[in-house]
Amino acid sequence: DSGVTQTPKHLITATGQRVTLRCSPRSGDLSVYWYQQSLDQGLQFLIHYYNGEERAKGNILERFSAQQFPDLHSELNLSSLELGDSALYFCASSPRGGITGELFFGEGSRLTVL
Amino acid sequence: QKEVEQDPGPLSVPEGAIVSLNCTYSNSAFQYFMWYRQYSRKGPELLMYTYSSGNKEDGRFTAQVDKSSKYISLFIRDSQPSDSATYLCAMSAPSGNTGKLIFGQGTTLQVKP
Repeated sequence: DSGVTQTPKHLITATGQRVTLRCSPRSGDLSVYWYQQSLDQGLQFLIHYYNGEERAKGNILERFSAQQFPDLHSELNLSSLELGDSALYFCASSPRGGITGELFFGEGSRLTVL
Repeated sequence: QKEVEQDPGPLSVPEGAIVSLNCTYSNSAFQYFMWYRQYSRKGPELLMYTYSSGNKEDGRFTAQVDKSSKYISLFIRDSQPSDSATYLCAMSAPSGNTGKLIFGQGTTLQVKP
């Protein structure tokens, strides 16, 4: 158990809908990262928050947004969903900025868009 | 061309075999090199972490980085059925302190009893 909690574990929804994925980092970790894993693209970095502030953006679509709250939990919002958004979404945390790559991943939220 | 290339396998070996997993990369700015292991339906977990070039050993696992060739390897000695998983190489550059990792596609390993 990495200590990172993600909910929901599974989510099935329809095209055009909006969903919110939630992440609680390990106790004391200030950084939260979101990654998307799909069969064709592999594991791709979406966004990084540190202590409530956005630090970096990766290949995150404009339809997607995220935030980190004062209690350090984070939410990833996916809107106007398309079939191609079906993937595993992972949250990871680290105590620092994660520069060394020592990230602790949750078990993921599997999103299926029908 | 992807920044990080990794043969997806699958790779099947008998128990006790030495396993070699490899990645090549194109970005010379990468300084941190990691191997993550991902079991089915689980999140990736960090196995090994190496800064710049050189070798690092941890039990049955050895990570090697050759920056001149832009090539990294993970060796597993005395492989066990419990090693059956997908192994992902990952890399990052130090600039910006972003924590952005670039992952390979992952190699699926099966160790047969």
